[in-house]
Amino acid sequence: EVQLVQSGAEVKKPGESLKISCKGSGKNFPNYWIAWVRQMPGKGLEWMGIIYLGDSDVRYSPSFQGQVTISADKSISTAYLQWSSLKASDTAIYYCAREWDFTFDPWGQGTLVTVSS
Amino acid sequence: SSELTQDPAVSVALGQTVRITCQGDSLRSYYASWYQQKPGQAPVVVFFGKDNRPSGIPDRFSGSSSGNTASLTITGAQAEDEADYYCKSRDSSGNHYFFGSGTKVTVL
Repeated sequence: EVQLVQSGAEVKKPGESLKISCKGSGKNFPNYWIAWVRQMPGKGLEWMGIIYLGDSDVRYSPSFQGQVTISADKSISTAYLQWSSLKASDTAIYYCAREWDFTFDPWGQGTLVTVSS
Repeated sequence: SSELTQDPAVSVALGQTVRITCQGDSLRSYYASWYQQKPGQAPVVVFFGKDNRPSGIPDRFSGSSSGNTASLTITGAQAEDEADYYCKSRDSSGNHYFFGSGTKVTVL
């Protein structure tokens, strides 16, 4: 059974950098694509991008290209989402999810990122 | 086009049937997948592809598609089905996805 465990909640100030993680377990995990999804407070789901753990091939949503960096470490079955300079508008819950058969399943538990001065 | 349109909210009486729709050009080429999200929880896939229901999802959840519209039907809605439901599709590149705006289902 594949499981995704995300890093814990973060509280940051505007302008600070941040890297959150999503660690997977289960059979054949490094051969999967991992997606990142944003959910701003009280809002819907937004697809941010996706990475193949096997070779770190990355695809970004046009809305998030240049705003975040998605990376991975195949050796530890972990995907990352990072910001170089956070803004208050980055406050949201960020989910990772495994992609297979064009479906996102399972999902991580979510990481709450709060950016406030 | 990368837009998927969903009704913001629908309500259904306990035990009755409700259909949630999702409209978009991409649905003419690709099947939608449907996600249920309860307050404070991560989304869960409840239906995907032409006719796929993940293990553990009750068979009262079913999906269909016609033209530019995908539908998720809950037959005999239960109180625990009260949640937000999102459809998701992809573009022609195969690796770019987008979600619908979500439908809040209230079970009366």
